[in-house]
This record gives sequence, structure tokens and C-alpha cells, in this order.
Amino acid sequence: QVQLQESGPGLVKPSQTLSLTCTVSGGSISSGGYYWSWIRQHPGKGLEWIGYIYHSGSTYYNPSLKSRVTISVDTSKNQFSLKLTSVTAADTAVYYCARDGGGGGYLDYWGQGTLVPVSS
Amino acid sequence: YELTQPLSVSVALGQTARITCGGNDIGNKNVHWYQQRPGQAPVLVIYRDTSRPSGIPERFSGSTSGNTATLTISRAQAGDEADYYCQVWDSSSVFGGGTKLTVL
Repeated sequence: QVQLQESGPGLVKPSQTLSLTCTVSGGSISSGGYYWSWIRQHPGKGLEWIGYIYHSGSTYYNPSLKSRVTISVDTSKNQFSLKLTSVTAADTAVYYCARDGGGGGYLDYWGQGTLVPVSS
Repeated sequence: YELTQPLSVSVALGQTARITCGGNDIGNKNVHWYQQRPGQAPVLVIYRDTSRPSGIPERFSGSTSGNTATLTISRAQAGDEADYYCQVWDSSSVFGGGTKLTVL
């Protein structure tokens, strides 16, 4: 059973960089066949896809966030990470990592999510 | 690309709920559906229009036609109360705004 767990700072100040890591267990990122995604949900709102990465390092980002987002992978640790620069209060959200079954396809395993407030 | 869902749908206990997702030519895209209970992560309930992941009851089914995709929940139970989201890929992964299902 694949499991994902987000980790990172619980609070980020405006203009700084939000950094989160997702640790995958029960499956290997380097085995291929899946894309590893980040999704966020603003408080009381719907889901917003941020982007994904393949084990090779190839990435694809939501055009609306592309200028501020970097997703990277560390196959030796079975982790992938999210960096979002120049954050504002509008980036306050629950951030989820998830496994994408086929590159823009369905998200079949999700982490529990982590709330990241942006506040001074 | 935009996906349009009703804000809320109500269904009587034991009856059938239908949640729609509208999008241009959505019938020619792969549509996926998620259930999200309060305070929890989303759970995939339907993928590629009609397929159910293991562990999802047969009461959940999906269909698409033209500009509308539909998630159908038969014999609705109290535990089905949740927000439901549709998702497609169109140059980027896109989610609908979500529908709150209330079981009366």
C-alpha cells in the first residue's frame, strides 16, 4: 500500500519561499510509471493542481503558478519536494502530495495534507 | 478550461444522487471523480469516466456524454455526505469547483 506524507515548516512569512517535502513509502519513485504531484486547497475552497514530476526529473506545472514553482525529486530518499517563491497570504492553503497514475491522470494515493499559513 | 459543478446536491437516504460536471466536449476527455469528507484528503472514487478503484462500492458509477459527466451514487448512505470533485486534463490538470452532497 503506497503512502505519502507531507512535511515542512508550519508557517511561512510573506515574500519568503514555501518548501515542502513528500516522503513516499510502500512504493519506489524510481520504478517509474507514475507522476508525483502537488495539489493545494485554500481554506473552504476547491482543489488546485500545482504540478508534477517524473522520476527522471521532468516536470509540468500549472501555468498560473509556473513562474514561482519548482518541483524536484530525490530518488535516493524516495522523496519529492515543492518550492513556491514570493508567497503572499493568498498562498495560505492545505498542501497535498499525491501519486498521478499517468501524467495528468487520476490521483490514486494522497498524503493527509499539511496546512501552511502565510503570515508575518 | 473550466469545469462547472452544482454547489450542492441533496438526496434522500437510500435514493440515487447524481452530480454533474460540465465542460466543453468533456465526453472526449478522461474524467476522474474524488470524494472529500471534512478534514480529510480527497479519495479517488471514479477514474477514466467509469472505472472504480478497488475498495470503492459498486454504488458509485460514472458516465459522460457530450458536455456533461455524471457521478451517480445509488442507495445513498449517510457516510456518502461529502464534497465531490471532478477532474480532467486539458493542458493542465483541472478540477471542478466541487459539489456538497447532503443525505437527508
